[in-house]
Amino acid sequence: DAGVIQSPRHEVTEMGQEVTLRCKPISGHDYLFWYRQTMMRGLELLIYFNNNVPIDDSGMPEDRFSAKMPNASFSTLKIQPSEPRDSAVYFCASSSPSGGWNTGELFFGEGSRLTVL
Amino acid sequence: GIQVEQSPPDLILQEGANSTLRCNFSDSVNNLQWFHQNPWGQLINLFYIPSGTKQNGRLSATTVATERYSLLYISSSQTTDSGVYFCAVERGGETSGSRLTFGEGTQLTVNP
Repeated sequence: DAGVIQSPRHEVTEMGQEVTLRCKPISGHDYLFWYRQTMMRGLELLIYFNNNVPIDDSGMPEDRFSAKMPNASFSTLKIQPSEPRDSAVYFCASSSPSGGWNTGELFFGEGSRLTVL
Repeated sequence: GIQVEQSPPDLILQEGANSTLRCNFSDSVNNLQWFHQNPWGQLINLFYIPSGTKQNGRLSATTVATERYSLLYISSSQTTDSGVYFCAVERGGETSGSRLTFGEGTQLTVNP
């Protein structure tokens, strides 16, 4: 399997521009997660989906952030308008339950490094 | 929510040394994983280990679920082991919204 695939790997944009990050989860995985990592706040969960349905978006910072999962093999995280404080590495991850009632073994993509000037 | 504490926060070793990283958690779990974030930022899944012991080369992990801790052992450390090691746990069960909670990580530096 190719693993979790994210694009773009690097994005540099100016404040106020729209940013769209993309993710293709591992085939067959039921869960998809979006995380953000910064030096100040560490690894934060933004939102996650189960079978394409958003389950918990309480980590989404504000209305400028939105995420969609139109089908089992694709998700987007959009920031509009972007601000310098959004600069971070955004990770997508996917998993499938392993036996018991849990979200299963998590696998990360390589991340999208966003810089907002 | 569940609390995850990792220790030590920082660790510096000479190449060839052994080390033990610890993860304590505040509630029963049915999902526990160890991840390595290398200096290039990649987050790599090391072990899925809600209980018991597993080994993969120079790395091994043990989770004692009843006592709410897990240990990650690194033997004969190499410079490529440098990076941050994260422990993540999940209560699981039928609780809606269950998902992994990450510790703050252990920053490991292995010097040649």
